[in-house]
Parts: sequence; structure tokens; C-alpha cells
Amino acid sequence: SQQGEEDPQALSIQEGENATMNCSYKTSINNLQWYRQNSGRGLVHLILIRSNEREKHSGRLRVTLDTSKKSSSLLITASRAADTASYFCATPRFSGTYKYIFGTGTRLKVLA
Amino acid sequence: NAGVTQTPKFQVLKTGQSMTLQCAQDMNHEYMSWYRQDPGMGLRLIHYSVGAGITDQGEVPNGYNVSRSTTEDFPLRLLSAAPSQTSVYFCASSQTDGNQPQHFGDGTRLSIL
Repeated sequence: SQQGEEDPQALSIQEGENATMNCSYKTSINNLQWYRQNSGRGLVHLILIRSNEREKHSGRLRVTLDTSKKSSSLLITASRAADTASYFCATPRFSGTYKYIFGTGTRLKVLA
Repeated sequence: NAGVTQTPKFQVLKTGQSMTLQCAQDMNHEYMSWYRQDPGMGLRLIHYSVGAGITDQGEVPNGYNVSRSTTEDFPLRLLSAAPSQTSVYFCASSQTDGNQPQHFGDGTRLSIL
């Protein structure tokens, strides 16, 4: 079963607005990763935040991590129509080797 | 530098047929993995490999076989296709230290009739 859960499942906003999506997980992690998937394409890595970091920025992206609550959020500022995609969080789990466990994703639609 | 290449992009099979989904990467990554993506289910890990000759099961391994004879290639085999295996399959690769992003192929869309 998926151990990373994003919410909301779907989000529709106007161009220029900010979009926030959240990810919760169940076990301890050493990092959490966010990916974007455009329709019909593979996933593309956006940003990685380590367990000892609380916030990280990359362009219009801001990621926060709260290990005490086992949650992370992805904020996209000043959204554009090109940001329309599904967004997934992933957590590498170590049990001898690393397994990447993905959440169920948030479908973002940015209206022009 | 092509990254991760998956073939074929689309495939239709009949129940009981077998086939191999191909995955190749040119980044010298030790870690490779296969996922299936179904509506509302996100990505689920099928099998993964941490290097040539080493494979292990993920969350949903039943009905699938893998092997890793080279660093570059990680094929996924369906021995006897079932309608429940209709899905989009993604291959990914990365370094093995758990702190690296995964690089994905564009997927194979598989329909089992």
C-alpha cells in the first residue's frame, strides 16, 4: 500500500495564484522528494529535502518538511498554465537497500 | 545522453501471452526500478535492482520477473499476461545511496485483452 499520501487529490486554480499541496508519510525518512508528471509522460524530479532540513527553495518552488508531523508541503508560487500536471512525493525507505515509495499524487490544473 | 529509454511505448496483448518490456539507461546508475501506475493508485514498485546480478521484489511483484545482466539494462517480463496487468509501466534509475533523485522513462502503456 502507498505510504505517502498527498492532499488534495485535485486542485484547480487561476494563473498567478499560489498552489499548495501536502504529503504525509508513516515511517522515518532520510529525505523526501517531489516529482512532477505531465500528462502522458514520465515523472520529473523537482526537489529533494533532507530530514535535517526544514525548508528548501528552487525557483518558484518552496518545500517544507516537518518530521515531527511526518508531513511535507510543496508550494508553487505565481502559477502558470504550464504548471498543470500531477505532483507526487516520494520517500526512499531503507531495509537493506533503498526502495522509493510514491504517494498517490495531486492533480493540479492551472487555468489561464 | 538519452537518459532512461523504454520500449515499446504502447502494446496490446491477449490474456496468456508473454512479453518483455525493455528499459535502458546511459547514466551508469546502479539502481534501477520498475513501477506500475494505475488510476488513483499512484506508482507502485514492482521490482528493483541495486546492480548487475542483484534484484529484489517491491510492493507488487507477482506476475512479473526481472533480471539484471548489465548495468545499463533492466527488462521486465510478463510470463502470462492477465487483464489485471493492464497499466502504464515506468522504469527509473538513480544512484544507490538513497539521497539521489530518480530519472524516469516515458513509460509503456500496456493493455491486456
